[in-house]
Amino acid sequence: EPEVTQTPSHQVTQMGQEVILRCVPISNHLYFYWYRQILGQKVEFLVSFYNNEISEKSEIFDDQFSVERPDGSNFTLKIRSTKLEDSAMYFCASSEYGGGGAEAFFGQGTRLTVV
Amino acid sequence: TQLLEQSPQFLSIQEGENLTVYCNSSSVFSSLQWYRQEPGEGPVLLVTVVTGGEVKKLKRLTFQFGDARKDSSLHITAAQPGDTGLYLCAGPEYGNKLVFGAGTILRVKS
Repeated sequence: EPEVTQTPSHQVTQMGQEVILRCVPISNHLYFYWYRQILGQKVEFLVSFYNNEISEKSEIFDDQFSVERPDGSNFTLKIRSTKLEDSAMYFCASSEYGGGGAEAFFGQGTRLTVV
Repeated sequence: TQLLEQSPQFLSIQEGENLTVYCNSSSVFSSLQWYRQEPGEGPVLLVTVVTGGEVKKLKRLTFQFGDARKDSSLHITAAQPGDTGLYLCAGPEYGNKLVFGAGTILRVKS
């Protein structure tokens, strides 16, 4: 069964360092997303990406964050200068279609720990 | 911001019991999705409900979307320890953005 895969599963970084989280969405999907979940809190939307550009982003997704689809299979989230409060599980998701009824399939997540 | 409230927050039951968890909003959603999440893992999509009043069954799980499309419920019949997990509802706020509820933690004891 096709699935979204994320690497690494766990990343520890020092405050102020740049991190890149990687995702391989499901191959025939066209819409890609990043969500995060701070320990004990709700899953929060960060950004959606379609046709090689950001289609929506939340208030969380400030200038420290960027996304890229560097080739035909990978989708990355970069945090330029990490802060302690960036520590969270980061989930990549993809969907075949967009819009209200789109079914998003999530990866297993990357646990980012900023020390 | 559209909010999804889930109840109860935590449910601990014995194997074989039935249970219902709820997802409510004051806003109308075009669809709602239910996910199950295990510790340290990503949410796994269980079902999407789209039509008001819709009922969908997935083995022992029954999902219902309210007539007004503001609420949904998940009923599990004869719960098993393998049903243990965090059950999340989510709906599209605008465009492709999903807003999630806080979830119901279900523990099924054998």
